[in-house]
Amino acid sequence: DAGVTQSPTHLIKTRGQQVTLRCSPKSGHDTVSWYQQALGQGPQFIFQYYEEEERQRGNFPDRFSGHQFPNYSSELNVNALLLGDSALYLCASSFGTGGREQYFGPGTRLTVT
Amino acid sequence: GQQLNQSPQSMFIQEGEDVSMNCTSSSIFNTWLWYKQDPGEGPVLLIALYKAGELTSNGRLTAQFGITRKDSFLNISASIPSDVGIYFCAALPMAGSGNTGKLIFGQGTTLQVKP
Repeated sequence: DAGVTQSPTHLIKTRGQQVTLRCSPKSGHDTVSWYQQALGQGPQFIFQYYEEEERQRGNFPDRFSGHQFPNYSSELNVNALLLGDSALYLCASSFGTGGREQYFGPGTRLTVT
Repeated sequence: GQQLNQSPQSMFIQEGEDVSMNCTSSSIFNTWLWYKQDPGEGPVLLIALYKAGELTSNGRLTAQFGITRKDSFLNISASIPSDVGIYFCAALPMAGSGNTGKLIFGQGTTLQVKP
């Protein structure tokens, strides 16, 4: 049973650039949520995708956008990168928008220089 | 906004000792989850709690969903070196709040175990 996978593992970008992160959910799951985890902090909810639409959003600017594909995989896009966007980006999958058990991938470590 | 206060922030214990950590909030929640995160990896789900008052075990781990829906605790019995890591509580808001899928995390408890 394949778990949640994310790519790439690590990424280094320059301030002002754009980045795309990818996530494949756990087998049988149809909902993907994205979280940002700064060093030493708990994960912060960015947004959730279900049926290819953004269903909920946390307190993140419009520079953060996403997409979900028919196979339930998802992308997180961040435009105009800032130094403060450096973090571990986590993808979690669940079944349904109210899915109470969210399973996380290994994350993508983004460094903005 | 909804926040979870997790304590203690860190613990340094001897192998074999029991560990207890908890999360509290001024808000009520529908579900409480406990995760463990190793350095550079994603959180791993340990225990999920769905009903107020529920007590659930997973091996040496035991967790409870508080009666008021505002708190939860996690106990680890007879700690071993591989228990080292950061433990997070997380909670899901009640249905109808408009935030049902938005998992809220505590600040984490860093556990170190001395062999």
